[in-house]
Amino acid sequence: GAVVSQHPSWVICKSGTSVKIECRSLDFQATTMFWYRQFPKQSLMLMATSNEGSKATYEQGVEKDKFLINHASLTLSTLTVTSAHPEDSSFYICSARVTSRTNAPEQFFGPGTRLTVL
Amino acid sequence: DAKTTQPTSMDCAEGRAANLPCNHSTISGNEYVYWYRQIHSQGPQYIIHGLKNNETNEMASLIITEDRKSSTLILPHATLRDTAVYYCIVRVNGYKLIFGSGTRLLVRP
Repeated sequence: GAVVSQHPSWVICKSGTSVKIECRSLDFQATTMFWYRQFPKQSLMLMATSNEGSKATYEQGVEKDKFLINHASLTLSTLTVTSAHPEDSSFYICSARVTSRTNAPEQFFGPGTRLTVL
Repeated sequence: DAKTTQPTSMDCAEGRAANLPCNHSTISGNEYVYWYRQIHSQGPQYIIHGLKNNETNEMASLIITEDRKSSTLILPHATLRDTAVYYCIVRVNGYKLIFGSGTRLLVRP
C-alpha cells in the first residue's frame, strides 16, 4: 500500500529558531500533499495544500510567511516553521494524494511530527 | 460544503460489533463519505469510503442510507486496538479532507 513518511518524528527547539519537517511519499508519486496541525485533544486542522512545482495554497488564518511550504519533487514536501514560538508547539501531520488510483483512498497520512518549542 | 455530525464518544465491549453513526444531511450527489481513524499520537488511518452503495473491506463495513443523509461504520468484532477517534468526512472541493471532531470509541475488555 501507499506509505507516507515524516522526518523527524519529534523535535524540540528553542524559541526563535526555524524547524523543517519533511514529508515523503515512499512508493508513489504525489503531485499534491497536505499539511495539518493538531493541538492536544483537538481535531486535525488543514493548514495548506502543497502542489508540486507551484506555490502552496494556505487555509484562511494560516500565515504563509511563518509556515513555508516547498514541494520540489513528486515525492517530497517540506514544512518550515520559521521563528518558532511556544504557541507553535503542536503535532504536524502531512498527507499525500494519490493521483493515478481510481476507486481507492486518495489520501494517505504520515505518522506525524511532534514539535515542542521551548 | 457538506458537514458531518458524529457523537462525541461511544463505547463497546471487546468482541462485539461497534456501530458508529454519522449524519451528513447536506451531502451532494457526487461527494464521497470517507472514514478515517486516529490512534493516539499517530497519523490518521484510512478505513473505508463509499458513494451510494454499502461497502465492506477487511477492516469494516460502511452502510449508507438510501437518501445518503447518514451512514454507519461497523467494526464487526471490536478489539482493544480499535480504541481510537473515528472521523467521518465528506470530501469537499474535489480532494480536501476537512476533519470534524470525530467519535472517540473506547473498546472495553
